[in-house]
Amino acid sequence: EVQLVESGGGLVQPGGSLRLSCAASGFTFSSYWMSWVRQTPGKGLEWVANIKEDGSEKYYVDSVKGRFTISRDNVDNSLYLQMNSLRAEDAAVYYCAKYGVAGRPPYCFDPWGQGTLVTVSS
Amino acid sequence: IVLTQSPGTLSLSPGEGATLSCRASQSVSTSRLAWYQQKPGQAPRLLIYDASSRATGIPDRFSGSGSGTDFTLTISRLEPEDFAVYYCQQYGSSPVTFGPGTKVDIK
Repeated sequence: EVQLVESGGGLVQPGGSLRLSCAASGFTFSSYWMSWVRQTPGKGLEWVANIKEDGSEKYYVDSVKGRFTISRDNVDNSLYLQMNSLRAEDAAVYYCAKYGVAGRPPYCFDPWGQGTLVTVSS
Repeated sequence: IVLTQSPGTLSLSPGEGATLSCRASQSVSTSRLAWYQQKPGQAPRLLIYDASSRATGIPDRFSGSGSGTDFTLTISRLEPEDFAVYYCQQYGSSPVTFGPGTKVDIK
């Protein structure tokens, strides 16, 4: 069974940093692009970033470019999101998501992790 | 691509059928559209991909149709566990985008 388990969310002050982690199991992690997607009550679901199977390509939504960094460790089957210079508008539930098929995105996401909540507030 | 879903809320009784709409601001390439179900406190779950293909383990009361800019998710007979929020997502072009969701609640 494919499982994605996020951790690392929490309360952080504006301008602060947070590192999210996602532990993957049940599939050949190194064969899939991976992604982070976030959800807020106001903006809904928003794709944040994705990373190629070997980590050599990374893409971001414009609003996080230069502040967030996606990375992966194919030995530990883990995905990460380093978030710096956090803003109030970054507050959301962050989901780790596997693409539904191997190969270059875009594609749909299947499955998603349970999510980790990031709160940005002073 | 901006996705619009209608209605915002659908109030129905168990056993009734549901028709949810997703409209795109421009044509979705090769019908690359997905539907997800989300229940409170849970992550979205893939129901339909490529506009009309059911994901693994999804009951056949869920069906998807459409092409171009207009897509539909149909639930033939609502079961108690189907009351949830449904989102569409286009992946025909980058960045992928999601609709705002349709809530199906119990009448």
